[in-house]
Amino acid sequence: GQNIDQPTEMTATEGAIVQINCTYQTSGFNGLFWYQQHAGEAPTFLSYNVLDGLEEKGRFSSFLSRSKGYSYLLLKELQMKDSASYLCAANSGNTPLVFGKGTRLSVIA
Amino acid sequence: NAGVTQTPKFRVLKTGQSMTLLCAQDMNHEYMYWYRQDPGMGLRLIHYSVGEGTTAKGEVPDGYNVSRLKKQNFLLGLESAAPSQTSVYFCASSYTPPGRMSSGNTIYFGEGSWLTVV
Repeated sequence: GQNIDQPTEMTATEGAIVQINCTYQTSGFNGLFWYQQHAGEAPTFLSYNVLDGLEEKGRFSSFLSRSKGYSYLLLKELQMKDSASYLCAANSGNTPLVFGKGTRLSVIA
Repeated sequence: NAGVTQTPKFRVLKTGQSMTLLCAQDMNHEYMYWYRQDPGMGLRLIHYSVGEGTTAKGEVPDGYNVSRLKKQNFLLGLESAAPSQTSVYFCASSYTPPGRMSSGNTIYFGEGSWLTVV
């Protein structure tokens, strides 16, 4: 089977940096997606990691370690609009995306 | 750009009633998916389709049926609704096959359908 774990909730201060972790156990792993989902809306694509290492996109960066089955999403210079749920999803084998349960991030002033 | 469109957006059903959720995509995608999202459970795959006329079961298929008679449409049916089916339902589509997605070819979601069964 496939298992993806991420923390349920996190709180961080505006302007700070926060790291959201995701661990996965899947067979035939191809890559790891991160999505952002605001309350009442659909998930939207943030990043995709295939190779080990850090990929940076503006204030958001995502890291992958295939040997450790571990990824994290790093959000810098947090803004109130970053309050949302962050979903990691494994792209594996020939199967549709398997999602973690999501991490609800609250950004406070 | 319409993308992935779901109807209806909101619906309240009585236990035992039936209904169909319609998903339509205008991106000529081959692959389509139905997920449900519940508090604390994340997105779970109900059924998916790898092309017109095909369907396959996902993680939580019981109580649901699907049909893909036309490439652009993927219907999700509840034959006899139960309170446990109260959820937010997301349809999605992709150009590339499951497992072969990339940052340029990812999965596109509809806006969701909120279903309450009383």
